[in-house]
Amino acid sequence: IVLTQSPDTLSLSPGDRATLSCRASQRLSTSKDYFAWYQQRPGQAPRLLIYDASTRATGIPDRFSGSGSGTDFTLTITRLEPEDFAVYYCQQYGGSPTFGPGTKVDI
Amino acid sequence: EVQLVQSGAEVKKPGESLRISCKASGYDFTTYWITWLRQMPGKGLEWMGRTDPSDSYIYHSPAFEGHVTISLDKSTTTAFLQWNSLKASDTAIYYCARHYSSLHAFDIWGQGTMVTVSS
Repeated sequence: IVLTQSPDTLSLSPGDRATLSCRASQRLSTSKDYFAWYQQRPGQAPRLLIYDASTRATGIPDRFSGSGSGTDFTLTITRLEPEDFAVYYCQQYGGSPTFGPGTKVDI
Repeated sequence: EVQLVQSGAEVKKPGESLRISCKASGYDFTTYWITWLRQMPGKGLEWMGRTDPSDSYIYHSPAFEGHVTISLDKSTTTAFLQWNSLKASDTAIYYCARHYSSLHAFDIWGQGTMVTVSS
């Protein structure tokens, strides 16, 4: 399953709302959306933000939310904080895991 | 504290062998799978394969099978990624991550191991 993310880069300011999209080349599952979002800050390992398409991982602030199903998924960040400027990857884990190419959110 | 601690950066020559490690602590090692991923310089994440410590099941992604070997040592709660003959194109950061099953996201990640292969 190939994942496509858009846009490649999102240039925003602290306090703005960010909307990131990810599209799968085929439906992930008929029963559940095995879909996640990760954040990667420069020089750091990725961090799980959202799993099962819309469930926030432990310790993730509620300004991060995930939505979507089937083939189209969205990560929304309300009120960007300085530490949110990073690269975001989408992932499907319904079979052999694959990742999207990433969206960079920068100032 | 639940954590995965990876071995340090490596600099190798083409053709050399290498084994890097990922030590788990703070949880029942046999309850969670361990996955390995590659991130080439300036690029995205690629899944290399996974292992289930409960039964030592190991699966290598077809894209990496034959070039790397995943293994584990339950007695030391450590997973390994090994190359017998490195190539320059193996230069990358390698991450380990844990997940509850093959149908779960990767909730804890190691800090990454930078591998540089250069003559």
